[in-house]
Amino acid sequence: EIVLAQSPGTLSLSPGERATLSCWASQTVRNNYLAWYQQKGGQAPRLLIYAASRRATGIPDRFSGSVSGTDFTLTISGLEPEDFGVYYCQQYAVSPRTFGQGTKVEIK
Amino acid sequence: EVQLLESGGGLVRPGGSLRLSCAASGFTFNTFAMNWVRQAPGKGPEWVSAISATTGDTYYADSVEGRFTISRDNSRNTLSLLMDSLRADDTAIYYCAKDAFGDYLGAFDVWGQGTMVTVSS
Repeated sequence: EIVLAQSPGTLSLSPGERATLSCWASQTVRNNYLAWYQQKGGQAPRLLIYAASRRATGIPDRFSGSVSGTDFTLTISGLEPEDFGVYYCQQYAVSPRTFGQGTKVEIK
Repeated sequence: EVQLLESGGGLVRPGGSLRLSCAASGFTFNTFAMNWVRQAPGKGPEWVSAISATTGDTYYADSVEGRFTISRDNSRNTLSLLMDSLRADDTAIYYCAKDAFGDYLGAFDVWGQGTMVTVSS
């Protein structure tokens, strides 16, 4: 099983600031099959990024993903009020598909 | 509009059973693998089970293997999860989720609103 570790646990930022979220995989993620999701209180997760860097349909270009080895990064360039919530990474390279424990992005 | 709508959650005693259903609409159901994903209170999501669109192949997390059974009816665009021998640590919101890339186990691009399952005496 691939274990995903996310950091930081909480990120306190102001609207307009840049957010950088990290996700480390315990082993190589084949074809960089890693996704990022956003979850707001009481809602289901929403797919933002797949294959490490491809934006899902309808996702604004302020969201971007990158990878270096087993280190994956989600960057939000200029936080909007609606971007605050919890972000999860997920690998889908091997079964079981696993999620990280999440990073909460909160308003400073 | 692509939509998934779960039903069947509720309160059940340890050792009991429950059947969840998911009604799908707005996409060609029989060409996408489907999943159940759960989220315990205050925790991250956990993939539970998946079923292929065409072969009917099923997949389970170790934590539910032998207790849960996933199935689908492509003629009715519905997905089901039969949960037996329920335990307290099965308490969670259960989401129905669509695979993004067809009949291939990938990311989840559409989620339902979830149905709460509480296992307690």
